Amino acid sequence: EPEVTQTPSHQVTQMGQEVILRCVPISNHLYFYWYRQILGQKVEFLVSFYNNEISEKSEIFDDQFSVERPDGSNFTLKIRSTKLEDSAMYFCASRPRAHLIGRELFFGEGSRLTVL
Amino acid sequence: GESVGLHLPTLSVQEGDNSIINCAYSNSASDYFIWYKQESGKGPQFIIDIRSNMDKRQGQRVTVLLNKTVKHLSLQIAATQPGDSAVYFCAENIDVGGSQGNLIFGKGTKLSVKP
Repeated sequence: EPEVTQTPSHQVTQMGQEVILRCVPISNHLYFYWYRQILGQKVEFLVSFYNNEISEKSEIFDDQFSVERPDGSNFTLKIRSTKLEDSAMYFCASRPRAHLIGRELFFGEGSRLTVL
Repeated sequence: GESVGLHLPTLSVQEGDNSIINCAYSNSASDYFIWYKQESGKGPQFIIDIRSNMDKRQGQRVTVLLNKTVKHLSLQIAATQPGDSAVYFCAENIDVGGSQGNLIFGKGTKLSVKP
């Protein structure tokens, strides 16, 4: 069964460093998302991406964050200068073309980011 | 320093009993709802969904009930098994001009199944 894959599974970085989290969405999906989950808390929306541009973003997704789809398969989240409070599990998700099936998102296993 | 986080509501049930997990959603304009299961260290997994034009939907061992009047969603798990132990999140969605918007997650409930 096709799945969303994320790398790395765990990254430890120093405060102020740049981090890039990578995702390979399911191949025929058109909508892409990043969510984050601080330990023990709920899953929070960061950004959605469609047709090579951001379609929606939350207040969390400030100027330190960016997303890119550099080729036909990868979808990346970059944090330019990490802060302690960026420590969280980051989930990539994708969804197929609108309205053909339900609106559920298909999530990857997550990338745990630890900022020291 | 001390870390502070939300304490998830916890539901503890005996194996074989039925479980009911509740969720209050926030937006009366939401027209689609999903339940996700999240096992420790993993991403959310889809369980069941329901559209706002329905008030009940059944899957295999799971039933979702929707009460739009009070903005309440529940997930019923029949004959709960140890493998059902996880955190369960409800999520809501509004179809905005065909773009479908994004999923807004609730706080989650931790289900513990005692053998």
